[in-house]
Amino acid sequence: EDQVTQSPEALRLQEGESSSLNCSYTVSGLRGLFWYRQDPGKGPEFLFTLYSAGEEKEKERLKATLTKKESFLHITAPKPEDSATYLCAVQKNTGNQFYFGTGTSLTVIP
Amino acid sequence: NAGVTQTPKFQVLKTGQSMTLQCAQDMNHNSMYWYRQDPGMGLRLIYYSASEGTTDKGEVPNGYNVSRLNKREFSLRLESAAPSQTSVYFCASRATPGSYDGNTIYFGEGSWLTVV
Repeated sequence: EDQVTQSPEALRLQEGESSSLNCSYTVSGLRGLFWYRQDPGKGPEFLFTLYSAGEEKEKERLKATLTKKESFLHITAPKPEDSATYLCAVQKNTGNQFYFGTGTSLTVIP
Repeated sequence: NAGVTQTPKFQVLKTGQSMTLQCAQDMNHNSMYWYRQDPGMGLRLIYYSASEGTTDKGEVPNGYNVSRLNKREFSLRLESAAPSQTSVYFCASRATPGSYDGNTIYFGEGSWLTVV
């Protein structure tokens, strides 16, 4: 069964305390893996797309990496404004559907 | 630069009433999607349209209908609303493969629907 699992469900960090969020997937034939940020009351906002194992993408304090079975979103020296829910999604080689995880709620405390 | 626009933002319905959620995108994307988001369940696909004139069921289509009115617009209709359809609904569109942003899905701001 195609599945996307994110961990932890919730994460509280002190400002400046680096950490990583995990997205593991079990789909046959991955076309792409996507990371989104979602603020309360808003739609998901696109962050990164990763297409192959070993690929890395960076944006400000965020870096996304991909292996054959999981992806990590590394947050370096987070700030309170990084507080949000981070969603992971995968797209299979076949079809137009995307499968989303349930997200990690990140809180960064000043 | 509007992107994906949904209306209404909030709606309260009585059980059995019908309503249509409207969605429009101005990015010239071929594919459009309707998702619902519930606590602990993540985003679940209701229906999608790969191109103008085509629609397909997603993971949770029961109780919903869709219309791809033209390339820009994709509406979601609840014919007889039920309390189980209380949720946040997101419309999305997907960039065309081969374009500069590849397969990226872009979301609207959401529509909060409560069925009482």
